[in-house]
Amino acid sequence: DVKVTQSSRYLVKRTGEKVFLECVQDMDHENMFWYRQDPGLGLRLIYFSYDVKMKEKGDIPEGYSVSREKKERFSLILESASTNQTSMYLCASSLSGNQPQHFGDGTRLSIL
Amino acid sequence: KNEVEQSPQNLTAQEGEFITINCSYSVGISALHWLQQHPGGGIVSLFMLSSGKKKHGRLIATINIQEKHSSLHITASHPRDSAVYICAVFSGGGADGLTFGKGTHLIIQP
Repeated sequence: DVKVTQSSRYLVKRTGEKVFLECVQDMDHENMFWYRQDPGLGLRLIYFSYDVKMKEKGDIPEGYSVSREKKERFSLILESASTNQTSMYLCASSLSGNQPQHFGDGTRLSIL
Repeated sequence: KNEVEQSPQNLTAQEGEFITINCSYSVGISALHWLQQHPGGGIVSLFMLSSGKKKHGRLIATINIQEKHSSLHITASHPRDSAVYICAVFSGGGADGLTFGKGTHLIIQP
């Protein structure tokens, strides 16, 4: 079974801090994704990556950056955290575009 | 970009009832996914389908490509089926070609 592991389930940070969310998958998947999920808005794509060192903006990239130095690891970075980035963050991976995405358990991030 | 609409947004039912959740989309697709998210966050893939019908235990998913519509059915519903059910469609293109519905929040009362 594919395992997608996110580094933290819950995280509390302060406004202005630089925040790192880490995600690791163990199935050699090409594609990795970062989403945020907010009540009433569903899942929204922040960034995705289809190969090492490759990244593409999703629907809501503002205020975020990503890093993929190794195939199995995809990091989401909040450059200067703000309260409107309080949300549930979900990482996913997939073998190809139309294949099922495998999700991590999510990180509930609170910015105070 | 594809528009994905799910209905109902919220559904409360009694244990044992037959449940139907609907998903409509606006543009032709190559695949449709049904996902389940339990309280606490983790999302699992239930079905991927591009035509016809699939069944897994008490869950049945159908798709009508001509009408751009899919349904997820749960027979003999149980409180452990309480979750958010999410429809997602793949319209082709790159890895970001997946569009998600906003989800249906299902509560099954004992």
